[in-house]
Amino acid sequence: AQKITQTQPGMFVQEKEAVTLDCTYDTSDPSYGLFWYKQPSSGEMIFLIYQGSYDQQNATEGRYSLNFQKARKSANLVISASQLGDSAMYFCAMREAHDLGGKLIFGQGTELSVKP
Amino acid sequence: EAGVTQFPSHSVIEKGQTVTLRCDPISGHDNLYWYRRVMGKEIKFLLHFVKESKQDESGMPNNRFLAERTGGTYSTLKVQPAELEDSGVYFCASSQVRGDEQFFGPGTRLTVL
Repeated sequence: AQKITQTQPGMFVQEKEAVTLDCTYDTSDPSYGLFWYKQPSSGEMIFLIYQGSYDQQNATEGRYSLNFQKARKSANLVISASQLGDSAMYFCAMREAHDLGGKLIFGQGTELSVKP
Repeated sequence: EAGVTQFPSHSVIEKGQTVTLRCDPISGHDNLYWYRRVMGKEIKFLLHFVKESKQDESGMPNNRFLAERTGGTYSTLKVQPAELEDSGVYFCASSQVRGDEQFFGPGTRLTVL
């Protein structure tokens, strides 16, 4: 079964507007972490934001915020005031606490294109 | 401080040949992970080293893949013999402590013709 689902293969957004990238997850582990990574065309994976399953508040990092809805098992990434440099692939990932090795489980990614 | 580096950045080989990918983690990071992304699909975990020991190799697709981390520093991932379905981007990541943020390298794009 897919543990991380990103249902939007591609998204377009106008520069300066906000955009939400969807991510749903599936785990029976009560303790887990959720991550978002950005992969620009240059190829490197850039860590954006982290949300722990027990965190009471939604994580925020600058223009990035994570809309964490635990009951719905969703962890959507919100990018406010989109910039041209935000055009990239975005991956949602999860780490389950029972996995002592800490490996990440990724979704298929969403390709975001920011239009001028 | 240098980040995670990977070599080569691109490799194009023919089916049946051998390729070796290298990853240099961030200095002092005991944990080293290999992942790969096959075209259009999700990034999948391959294996995890702690220092020179393989902690989890549950993601290795088959015995054509061999990973090593002699001395607990850099790691190599050898594919022998390469098949068409091995094409994809191979990422390496490292972390200081298990469960910490993983820092990714730029990836090696492998094309098997």
